[in-house]
Amino acid sequence: SAVISQKPSRDICQRGTSLTIQCQVDSQVTMMFWYRQQPGQSLTLIATANQGSEATYESGFVIDKFPISRPNLTFSTLTVSNMSPEDSSIYLCSVQGGKIGYEQYFGPGTRLTVT
Amino acid sequence: DQQVKQNSPSLSVQEGRISILNCDYTNSMFDYFLWYKKYPAEGPTFLISISSIKDKNEDGRFTVFLNKSAKHLSLHIVPSQPGDSAVYFCAASQGAQKLVFGQGTRLTINP
Repeated sequence: SAVISQKPSRDICQRGTSLTIQCQVDSQVTMMFWYRQQPGQSLTLIATANQGSEATYESGFVIDKFPISRPNLTFSTLTVSNMSPEDSSIYLCSVQGGKIGYEQYFGPGTRLTVT
Repeated sequence: DQQVKQNSPSLSVQEGRISILNCDYTNSMFDYFLWYKKYPAEGPTFLISISSIKDKNEDGRFTVFLNKSAKHLSLHIVPSQPGDSAVYFCAASQGAQKLVFGQGTRLTINP
């Protein structure tokens, strides 16, 4: 499985500001995914990022709020814009892997607290 | 619309016994199912998966059973060990696209 790192591991931000989260993979991957886990909740997919194309956002998530970059096959960023306390969550990136590509492997996550 | 449900938020099992975690789904188009384990302050770790064309997959102490007619899957851990204490998520996929996760079950293994 791929080794995935995320920066920062945690941050405390003020409302109205923005935070960019980085995701680095140790091998080239086609698809990268960004998930959110709100406190006590399940993981919810924010968007799918393919290199060289616009990210595909899930219902309820918009590009203006969560812009994503995918400059190459090993790196992606997710920005949480104009933050409010409701954005306090763990943000996780993942990549596909496994024998037939159905499995996803996750980074350690970024714990964001908005005050 | 919760397409994947884990109805038990928590489960407590004695060390050495069998742990059984359950998961139900509603979307009959799901063709692949996965179980993840999550410790605090870490990302989910892939445990085991099963294709919709199978009804059982085994990997060491972990076995996943799939009952398509009931739209139900379960994860069996035998024997349970203290290190198995974590939150377990089931997830489903349609065509190697996004994963849809259940709410998770917190498993506690008691010595």
